[in-house]
Order: sequence, then C-alpha cells, then structure tokens
Amino acid sequence: AQSVTQPDIHITVSEGASLELRCNYSYGATPYLFWYVQSPGQGLQLLLKYFSGDTLVQGIKGFEAEFKRSQSSFNLRKPSVHWSDAAEYFCAVGQGSGNTGKLIFGQGTTLQVKP
Amino acid sequence: DAGVTQSPTHLIKTRGQQVTLRCSPKSGHDTVSWYQQALGQGPQFIFQYYEEEERQRGNFPDRFSGHQFPNYSSELNVNALLLGDSALYLCASSLIEGGYTFGSGTRLTVV
Repeated sequence: AQSVTQPDIHITVSEGASLELRCNYSYGATPYLFWYVQSPGQGLQLLLKYFSGDTLVQGIKGFEAEFKRSQSSFNLRKPSVHWSDAAEYFCAVGQGSGNTGKLIFGQGTTLQVKP
Repeated sequence: DAGVTQSPTHLIKTRGQQVTLRCSPKSGHDTVSWYQQALGQGPQFIFQYYEEEERQRGNFPDRFSGHQFPNYSSELNVNALLLGDSALYLCASSLIEGGYTFGSGTRLTVV
C-alpha cells in the first residue's frame, strides 16, 4: 500500500539556520510528490511539487526539495529559516490520474523557530 | 481571485446528529476533493467529485456522503455523528489537469 513517512514529528531550529525536513514514500509507480505547509487554523498551501524531470525542485518562500528514487525520499530544504516559517509541514504522494488523483499525506512535521 | 471558500468555519454538533459542510471551488476549477484532518494527523482523503459524480473514494463509511452541483460547488454530509468525527474538514479544488488549491477548512466538534 502507498504510504508517506515523515520521521520527525517536531523540529526546532534557530532563525537563520538551515533546515531539512525528511520524507520517505512507498509507491509502486513513478510518484507525484508534494510538500504543503499549514499555519495554525489554516488550510494547506503548496510549497512545491515533483512530477518528472529535474530531481531538484524549487518552490515558494525559498524552499527546495530533492527527489531521490534510490532512497524513496523527497526531503525539503531551506538554507536560512525565518521566524515566519514556523508551521506544520506535510509531505504527500499523489495517486491516480496526473496530479489530481488523491493525495496520501504523511503525519506532518511541526517546525519551531527559535529567535 | 477568490480561492476555495468553505462554510461554516466552525461547527459544534451532538453525537447522532447530521451535518452538512459546504465548499465553493476556486474560479474555473471543476474538481472538488474532501479531506478529514484529525488533530495532530495528516489529512485523509474522503472522496473526489468531478462532473457531479463521485470519482474516487477513500476508506470512509457510508455515513459520509457528498454532492457536487452544476456550478462545481460541493457539499459533504455526515450522518449519525460520532465523537471520532471531530476534525478539520478540508476541501480542495482543481482542474482535471492541474494541481490542488485547499480551503481553510471547517472545524467540526462533536460533543
């Protein structure tokens, strides 16, 4: 069965430090991969997505992610974290037709940013 | 350009009651999906509607039903509410060839 694992439930980084959030997926075919961010009480905002091609994907707010098929991973990175990045981050794999099939989400990683 | 609009934002219901949640998709989007997000969890797919038909369904009981109208808006109905149905319900709209836009959700509390 398809699944997404985010090994880190909670991460704390200092403002200005680099960030890496881990995501591992299990999916039989070529995956469609997404990272979403959720601020408290809000819906999900798409940070970036991977469908095919270049394995390093650039997103909004200075985020990037790298698809590594051999490791079944799609880790999210940011070189310098800002206090406004504190939020919940979800990795998801898309199942079904194109990029509008159902999404399977990981459990999420809560990011706390220290001043 | 209005995004995805969900109503109401918050709702409190009693066990056994029925609830209807509403979603207006982003302008031009024709596909609507519903997700349930329990506290501390990732969203779980309930179902997806396209051309007023249910295209896909997740692992949710028949108490959960939906509808899509000709203007692409959608409703999620939950019957015989259980305490475990308390969650944030998210609606997402898309074009069949495009990506998702999520609404801010409806927070349902069952007491």
